[in-house]
Amino acid sequence: AQSVSQHNHHVILSEAASLELGCNYSYGGTVNLFWYVQYPGQHLQLLLKYFSGDPLVKGIKGFEAEFIKSKFSFNLRKPSVQWSDTAEYFCAVNAGRSPGTYKYIFGTGTRLKVLA
Amino acid sequence: EAGVTQFPSHSVIEKGQTVTLRCDPISGHDNLYWYRRVMGKEIKFLLHFVKESKQDESGMPNNRFLAERTGGTYSTLKVQPAELEDSGVYFCASSQGEAAQETQYFGPGTRLLVL
Repeated sequence: AQSVSQHNHHVILSEAASLELGCNYSYGGTVNLFWYVQYPGQHLQLLLKYFSGDPLVKGIKGFEAEFIKSKFSFNLRKPSVQWSDTAEYFCAVNAGRSPGTYKYIFGTGTRLKVLA
Repeated sequence: EAGVTQFPSHSVIEKGQTVTLRCDPISGHDNLYWYRRVMGKEIKFLLHFVKESKQDESGMPNNRFLAERTGGTYSTLKVQPAELEDSGVYFCASSQGEAAQETQYFGPGTRLLVL
């Protein structure tokens, strides 16, 4: 069965520190990869996604992620975090090419706290 | 453009009672999904509608859960009778088009507490 692992459950950083959140998935076929963020009191929103092409994907708010197929990884990065990045971050995968495979498989989420 | 909306935002019920959750997707989105997050665990898929048809209901936990999407617009998820383990946040999402790469847009969730 497909699964997604986010190894860091809680991360605490000071402002201006660099961020890297790990995401590994288990699925041997073609995948689509997503990072979502949930700010306090808000709904889940898409940060970035990858389905083909350049494995380095840039998203909103200065976030980027790199797809490394050989490592089954899709780590999220930001060179300098801000207090407003405090949120919970979710990695998700779908193995989609046909309608029955659109569902997301989520990781457990990483709670990031940025100290001002 | 209005986003995905869910009602109610919170629901507290007693074990054995019935609760119905509603989701209004973004207008024009044929795909509608239900997910659930139990406290401390990952967000898990429940089911996927394409218009009014159930495309994938592999994540529905048991027959106490019934989802409908009459007319291909809003959807309801009914839990009857509710059990303690049904507590969690129920998310609805919608997407446009026929590709798995389409972004799923999430609603704010319904927090269900079964006592």
